[in-house]
Order: sequence, then structure tokens, then C-alpha cells
Amino acid sequence: DGGITQSPKYLFRKEGQNVTLSCEQNLNHDAMYWYRQDPGQGLRLIYYSQIVNDFQKGDIAEGYSVSREKKESFPLTVTSAQKNPTAFYLCASRATGIPETQYFGPGTRLLVL
Amino acid sequence: DAKTTQPNSMESNEEEPVHLPCNHSTISGTDYIHWYRQLPSQGPEYVIHGLTSNVNNRMASLAIAEDRKSSTLILHRATLRDAAVYYCIRWGDDKIIFGKGTRLHILP
Repeated sequence: DGGITQSPKYLFRKEGQNVTLSCEQNLNHDAMYWYRQDPGQGLRLIYYSQIVNDFQKGDIAEGYSVSREKKESFPLTVTSAQKNPTAFYLCASRATGIPETQYFGPGTRLLVL
Repeated sequence: DAKTTQPNSMESNEEEPVHLPCNHSTISGTDYIHWYRQLPSQGPEYVIHGLTSNVNNRMASLAIAEDRKSSTLILHRATLRDAAVYYCIRWGDDKIIFGKGTRLHILP
């Protein structure tokens, strides 16, 4: 079954702690994305990567970091610099080259203790 | 900047057609129009997309204005399972931007 997996489904962060959200895809897609969604709001782009070992900041990158060492994986780290991290985080991927659809993972809900 | 404008919410009766509008007046000639929908606590899912011509698939139809400055997503016979937030997206470069979408309520 091809698709995108995100883990964990729920994640709790203590003050001052860095946490990493996992995103894996077996769709052989080049591009991957991280979005943040706050209650009742749309999706806001955090980071995106069009190819391995390359990534760009989205609209709200401050307090977050990413890596893209493998095509299948695009982990997101929420650092202690992100003062309001409680949100629903969504990872997505798509094939590049032609306008194709974006495939989303099930999301990770991050809560601060 | 979502670059598209949609009503915040709409209501429809079950088993009736639903027309969800979207304005994208600054669209460029090569931008596609995509629609996604998001059920509560889930990631968005693809619904339909088009460039210039009207499009149909098993989920919905997409009617694109001749000047491409607006489009309408048509659900032919709404069911309770169609209650979701629907996003209209201009798809032209690598930064794909989602606005707040339209929250569709289906009345039984």
C-alpha cells in the first residue's frame, strides 16, 4: 500500500524541549511539505523540499527545522524557540514535474504540557 | 496570501446538489485549480483539479469560468459524509498555499 505515514499521532512536549515529528512516504515522490493547522484555520506552510538534501522555508519556519537526507523521509523538529507549538501538523508529498495531486498523511497533534 | 477567495461556510440539504464557489482573479495562464477537502482531524484529500475545461470525476465536477478568474466545485448529490472543509487552491509553483476554505454543513 503506497502512502504517507506520520508518527506519533499525539505528541506531548515539555517547556524548553525539542521534539521531532516523523514523516515517511513510499510513493517515490520528490517533493515533501510540512504544514501547521490551528483550530478553525487553514493550513500554513512551514517547510518544503523539492529534492533530497534541499529544502526551503515556508511562511512560518521560525522555531522549526527539517532535514531531507532520504527521499522517503522528511522529519520536522519543533524547537524550544517555537513558543506556541500546540497545533495539528500535516505532512504531504507530491511528484514534481507536472501539476499533480498532493497526498497528505494523517497528521500529528502536538500538545504542550 | 492564499490567492483564492472562498465563502467561510455554506449549508446544503442532503441529497441536493451543492455549488461551492472560488475566486482566483489573479490566476496566471499556467496555474491549475485544485480542490481538496478535509474531514475533522484528518489530512486533506484530493477532490478534483482542472486548467481550462470543465472536469468530472467520481467525486465531483469542476466548472471553470471562461476567463479562469473563478471556478465552482459541484457535488451532485450531497450526503452527510460530504460535510467537510473544502479548499480551492491555485497550483502553479512549488509553494502550494491553502486558504481557510469553505466549511460545508449538510442538513439531514
